[in-house]
Amino acid sequence: GAVVSQHPSWVICKSGTSVKIECRSLDFQATTMFWYRQFPKQSLMLMATSNEGSKATYEQGVEKDKFLINHASLTLSTLTVTSAHPEDSSFYICSARVMGGDTQYFGPGTRLTVL
Amino acid sequence: GNSVTQMEGPVTLSEEAFLTINCTYTATGYPSLFWYVQYPGEGLQLLLKATKADDKGSNKGFEATYRKETTSFHLEKGSVQVSDSAVYFCALSDRAGGSYIPTFGRGTSLIVHP
Repeated sequence: GAVVSQHPSWVICKSGTSVKIECRSLDFQATTMFWYRQFPKQSLMLMATSNEGSKATYEQGVEKDKFLINHASLTLSTLTVTSAHPEDSSFYICSARVMGGDTQYFGPGTRLTVL
Repeated sequence: GNSVTQMEGPVTLSEEAFLTINCTYTATGYPSLFWYVQYPGEGLQLLLKATKADDKGSNKGFEATYRKETTSFHLEKGSVQVSDSAVYFCALSDRAGGSYIPTFGRGTSLIVHP
């Protein structure tokens, strides 16, 4: 149980385009999902906390208009990287917290490469 | 605020050696403690957890004991294998905060040679 999927697993796009990444909790409901960014050989950087039915809470320094987060249901959150640029290239990971629990379950990550 | 400190890597061991990865934490409330493992090119997998003082989490031969007196949660394994090569993250989730936003350590890379 507690499986989280991400789609796509990797994406290559041209500079200036937008990319949407989906995060789904497959066998549980998640009121809260988290989006992280990870640079090579570094730790996770929390970008935002996504709560179902409300606006996401962004960490300091994360551009809200660039990284759009939508959490429309208890099993789906999306991250849209708008007007992507090469510096947005990174590994994006989502996690979901089981309702009422303290454990996060992570998706497999999405590798974004912006040319 | 909350924080997690892990020993810096990489940790390089020979197969069947004993492993210890140190982790200490500071928290305002009564956190749950976690170890996650990340294999190359993949997301994080929950390895083990402990929710209160003196609890021992264990999985796949790995163990960690929640030590409140020393605010530590060191990861140990008696005999490592090449397949254990990965990055290990120590983390906490502070229940007193109510938001359960986790705090992660910087990660420790483990390299096991045959």
